[in-house]
Amino acid sequence: KNEVEQSPQNLTAQEGEFITINCSYSVGISALHWLQQHPGGGIVSLFMLSSGKKKHGRLIATINIQEKHSSLHITASHPRDSAVYICAGHDMDSNYQLIWGAGTKLIIKP
Amino acid sequence: SQTIHQWPATLVQPVGSPLSLECTVEGTSNPNLYWYRQAAGRGLQLLFYSVGIGQISSEVPQNLSASRPQDRQFILSSKKLLLSDSGFYLCASQGGANTGELFFGEGSRLTVL
Repeated sequence: KNEVEQSPQNLTAQEGEFITINCSYSVGISALHWLQQHPGGGIVSLFMLSSGKKKHGRLIATINIQEKHSSLHITASHPRDSAVYICAGHDMDSNYQLIWGAGTKLIIKP
Repeated sequence: SQTIHQWPATLVQPVGSPLSLECTVEGTSNPNLYWYRQAAGRGLQLLFYSVGIGQISSEVPQNLSASRPQDRQFILSSKKLLLSDSGFYLCASQGGANTGELFFGEGSRLTVL
């Protein structure tokens, strides 16, 4: 069992739909990242959060430390949101280690 | 905000040839630096990380090596490439404390023939 698990692995939705991607972890982490990887391979950091909720444009990330769960939401989804979304946690026992989820491939159809 | 420069973007190398990928960071000092590899359709695999000049930690035994000759320069090397070294290599930087935001280079796509 992976220490960081994402669901779903693949998600296809219509433009405009509300999207939720989930990330659960079984180890202690000090912070969690949400990242976006485009088809070309480049990775962009979307959020880093250790508690509560953060919002940036149409993207919202939440984390529940007690439940060891984080979600990434996309409102009013658009085809340009199509990408792989990855969560990664900072291992509390190793200052520099990141524990990576396998990624969620999102396709938004026009 | 940091900027990560990584090059070359694409390279095709024969088996047994050497490799050098370079990464430089702008906009921060004393960052944690990482080299990751991503095989096609797979997740990121940590190869090396560095917390300071000359300090390199290896996560996976292999024929690759890394060096950090300057605070904001991180180099991935190999003396003799293997077919299995093909993949997408990403340099990443994390500034400030160990829970700082991550920044990635654009990646280097290596094909070993």
